[in-house]
Amino acid sequence: DGGITQSPKYLFRKEGQNVTLSCEQNLNHDAMYWYRQDPGQGLRLIYYSQIVNDFQKGDIAEGYSVSREKKESFPLTVTSAQKNPTAFYLCASSIAQGARDTGELFFGEGSRLTVL
Amino acid sequence: KQEVTQIPAALSVPEGENLVLNCSFTDSAIYNLQWFRQDPGKGLTSLLLIQSSQREQTSGRLNASLDKSSGRSTLYIAASQPGDSATYLCAGGATNKLIFGTGTLLAVQP
Repeated sequence: DGGITQSPKYLFRKEGQNVTLSCEQNLNHDAMYWYRQDPGQGLRLIYYSQIVNDFQKGDIAEGYSVSREKKESFPLTVTSAQKNPTAFYLCASSIAQGARDTGELFFGEGSRLTVL
Repeated sequence: KQEVTQIPAALSVPEGENLVLNCSFTDSAIYNLQWFRQDPGKGLTSLLLIQSSQREQTSGRLNASLDKSSGRSTLYIAASQPGDSATYLCAGGATNKLIFGTGTLLAVQP
């Protein structure tokens, strides 16, 4: 089955620790995205990548880092610099249509990070 | 800056009723619009995508329309069922990213 796999589903972190969330897709999509979801707020874009070895900051990139070494993979690292990391993190992918058109986005099941 | 608003924030209807969810955006320069469904603790499921050249899309009991001139989109759900209970999110696409609304929480009572 084609889809997007996020792991782990739940993660607990102590303050000061970096953690990495995994996102793998087998849809052969060029573009991948990381969003953060907090209660009462819409999804906010952290980082996105339209092609291997290239990525751009979204609206709330501070305290996060990403890499895109393979087309299928787009891991997100939540660093100790992120002041409020407890949230639900969602990875998505799409067939990039060009400079303006995101195409249809497909999402993974999410990873819930809790900082203790 | 693009902002997306969804009204109502929550809606409770009896089974079988037809309903409309609303989405409005501040910048009419969106390129496409996508509607999603989210169940509690889960990821988003794509329902309908309205491309730039389109004005509406239909899938089963769902119909979504887009009016760029007024900055509005609506999602129409016909003959609602308890299984339709979820949060519905709209998102406008512009410059390689989607901007999301805060969602409408729908409860369909049996």
